[in-house]
Amino acid sequence: KQEVTQIPAALSVPEGENLVLNCSFTDSAIYNLQWFRQDPGKGLTSLLLIQSSQREQTSGRLNASLDKSSGRSTLYIAASQPGDSATYLCAPIYGQNFVFGPGTRLSVLP
Amino acid sequence: ETGVTQSPTHLIKTRGQQVTLRCSSQSGHNTVSWYQQALGQGPQFIFQYYREEENGRGNFPPRFSGLQFPNYSSELNVNALELDDSALYLCASSIEAGWDEQYFGPGTRLTVT
Repeated sequence: KQEVTQIPAALSVPEGENLVLNCSFTDSAIYNLQWFRQDPGKGLTSLLLIQSSQREQTSGRLNASLDKSSGRSTLYIAASQPGDSATYLCAPIYGQNFVFGPGTRLSVLP
Repeated sequence: ETGVTQSPTHLIKTRGQQVTLRCSSQSGHNTVSWYQQALGQGPQFIFQYYREEENGRGNFPPRFSGLQFPNYSSELNVNALELDDSALYLCASSIEAGWDEQYFGPGTRLTVT
């Protein structure tokens, strides 16, 4: 069974800190992996897509790494801001099926 | 803004009724996927359509069905609603294959009483 876990479940930090969010998946036969953020009661916003042949992907203050063989991905957020407060979801992609983790709920305090 | 829209925003139905949720994808996006997200959980894959044909299905019963139309719109139909169907329903579109980057709509919040 394809399962995804995310650690920590929740995180509260002061503004300016660098953060690491972790994603683990049991089935390493992924096509790609996508990271999303979700604001309360809203849809998902795509942050980064990492193809299975890539090791990492960067967009602004965000950097995501992928270690397919060990079933892990990490999202690094530099110099966190209150606007980063949201739930962050990772989704390894198996064919047409995105399998989502439960998310990490991030709160950045001003 | 992803260009993916969903209607309605909120909906309240009674157990046993039927519901139709609608999604409008970006022009040129041939794939649409539907997800159910219960409160406090990640989205769960319901099914995917590619060029108007079902292209994969998650672990959902047949009372969940869908349609995709040539004008990049799609529908999710749920028959015989149950209380556990209360959730946020999300659609996502991608250009071609399902493993492409997906762009999500804002969702429809369904409450079954």
